[in-house]
Amino acid sequence: QVQLVESGGGVVQPGGSLRLSCAASGFTFSSYGMHWVRQAPGQGLEWVAVISFDGSYKYYADSMKGRFTISRDNSKNTLYLQMDSLRAEDRAVYYCVKEGSTRYYGMGVWGQGTTVTVSS
Amino acid sequence: DIQLTQSPSFLSASVGDRVTITCRASQGISTYLAWYQQKPGKAPKLLIYVASTLQSGVPSRFSGRGSGTEFTLTISSLQSEDFATYYCQQLNSYPLSFGGGTKVEIK
Repeated sequence: QVQLVESGGGVVQPGGSLRLSCAASGFTFSSYGMHWVRQAPGQGLEWVAVISFDGSYKYYADSMKGRFTISRDNSKNTLYLQMDSLRAEDRAVYYCVKEGSTRYYGMGVWGQGTTVTVSS
Repeated sequence: DIQLTQSPSFLSASVGDRVTITCRASQGISTYLAWYQQKPGKAPKLLIYVASTLQSGVPSRFSGRGSGTEFTLTISSLQSEDFATYYCQQLNSYPLSFGGGTKVEIK
């Protein structure tokens, strides 16, 4: 079955870095755009970034631009999020998400999420 | 950037009630809107995309309408498993954005 499994979350000090990974299975990973979405404790959903199926384009939310980098390795069926210069407000559950045939079809498959805590 | 405003932010209802949630976009987004359901401690689940298309496996009591800047999600007869938080999301242009959410609780 289609599955996304995130890893790499943890506790990091302000200003530190963390790299999240998302292992995909059950579908042709190299054919789909992939996203990261986050949710701070008790808050709503916040879109983070997208990467196209072949990595040729990437977009970021304004608050993450310049600090976060999305990438993918289609040979390993894996999505990444490199997070640098982390701030307390980056504390959240980070979800890896597969879009439909195009982004217009919504985000149909979500991972279970990985938790990032930024604290000294 | 496109902002989405959901109303109400909180809704108290009984099993069997008809419930409608509204999502307004700060500019026109055609029909590129999706709705999600999220239960505590779980990842969101896609309910509806392109404003009115039901995702496979989603019960027919859920329906979506709208285009441009105003959209609605309706649950025709609320069931116990529908008590959750609902989010709209615009997919028209980057950066993508979500509404603030509507929590549906048991009256």
